[in-house]
This record gives sequence, C-alpha cells and structure tokens, in this order.
Amino acid sequence: AQKVTQAQTEISVVEKEDVTLDCVYETRDTTYYLFWYKQPPSGELVFLIRRNSFDEQNEISGRYSWNFQKSTSSFNFTITASQVVDSAVYFCALSEAGSGGYQKVTFGTGTKLQVIP
Amino acid sequence: DTGVSQDPRHKITKRGQNVTFRCDPISEHNRLYWYRQTLGQGPEFLTYFQNEAQLEKSRLLSDRFSAERPKGSFSTLEIQRTEQGDSAMYLCASSPITGGSYEQYFGPGTRLTVT
Repeated sequence: AQKVTQAQTEISVVEKEDVTLDCVYETRDTTYYLFWYKQPPSGELVFLIRRNSFDEQNEISGRYSWNFQKSTSSFNFTITASQVVDSAVYFCALSEAGSGGYQKVTFGTGTKLQVIP
Repeated sequence: DTGVSQDPRHKITKRGQNVTFRCDPISEHNRLYWYRQTLGQGPEFLTYFQNEAQLEKSRLLSDRFSAERPKGSFSTLEIQRTEQGDSAMYLCASSPITGGSYEQYFGPGTRLTVT
C-alpha cells in the first residue's frame, strides 16, 4: 500500500526566509510518480511538479526547488525567499503506475505554510 | 483554455436528502477523478473514469454514492440519503491519456454541508 507522510502540520516563517517542506513516502512499486500541489485559501489545488521514480535529478523553478532522494524515500520542497503569496497548504502525493496507465493518487495530510510579512 | 469546473460550489442540505454534483473536465482529458477532502486532510480518492467507463471505486464510496460519466465528458456524483458525515469538499480532477502526463488538474470543488 502506498503512503505519504508530511510530518509538519503547520509552519510559520517571516517573509524572505527560506522554508523546506518535508515529504516521506512508502511504496512497494519500483515505478511511481511524486507530486506537489498547492492549495491556497481559495481552495483549488494547483499542480506544482511531477517527478517519476527514475529521475532523481533535483529541479529548480524560480524560487521553488525539489530534492528527490530515493535512498531515504523523500521528496522535499524548498521555497527560497518566501513571499506572503506562498501562504497555502501544500500537499505531497504519490501515484503508483498501474496497468493501462491509471494512477491512483495518494495524498499526504498537507503542511500549512504561513508567511508573515 | 478553461480548467476543470464544478457546480455548485456550495451546497447545504438536510440529512436524508439527495444531492448531485457536476464536474466538467478539461475538454481534451479522457480521465476524470472524484475525491473527497475533509478539514485538515488531503484529498481521498473516490472513483475514476476513463472516458465513460468507471474503472475503479474506493471502498469509501458506499452504496449511497453513485457516479456517472454517460458520454465521456461531464460527470455527476450523487449522494443519496445524506448523512452528517458526508459533509466535506468534493473535488473533481481530470488528466490526459496521452503524452505520459500523469498530473491531475483539479476543479474548485463543491463544499457540501449536511445539517
């Protein structure tokens, strides 16, 4: 069974600080996908990134970066120079590649990030 | 390019009533998913369609829940004889079937309150 753990329930940082959101996953599959989604106060989940299990390269997109380490089953998300607009709940998610390409996605419980001006 | 839309955005109903929600996916997306999200939790998978075929249902989807996607486009989720425990945000998502793209794009959700 697949499982995603986001141990940090809430984090508060002061604007311009860097912040890392932790994600640890469990899966028996060798082929899987990891995702991060952002859920702002408006409620709509916004896709941020997808990473497959064969690609351990870290990725940077503007102020966002992701560190994927299979050895520790972690897929951490760092926001550099945080801004108030980054305040949201962030979800890490895992999908095992099923037959026919269907992927059931399992979400973590989310980390609520508050960026204080 | 319009995103996933859901209607209504909010629904308040009395216990025992039936409710129906609608989801319109992104037009070129063949796959459609329903999730339920309660306060402080991540979305939980309910069911999945590929075109008009319902291919998987979670054990969370009791007999009071039914979902359809009759023409492979929009989908409806009906809850019969609602209970207070059904109060949650119901999210719809869609994804394409080609191109190796597996991310799901979510709608704004329908917030259900059962009184």
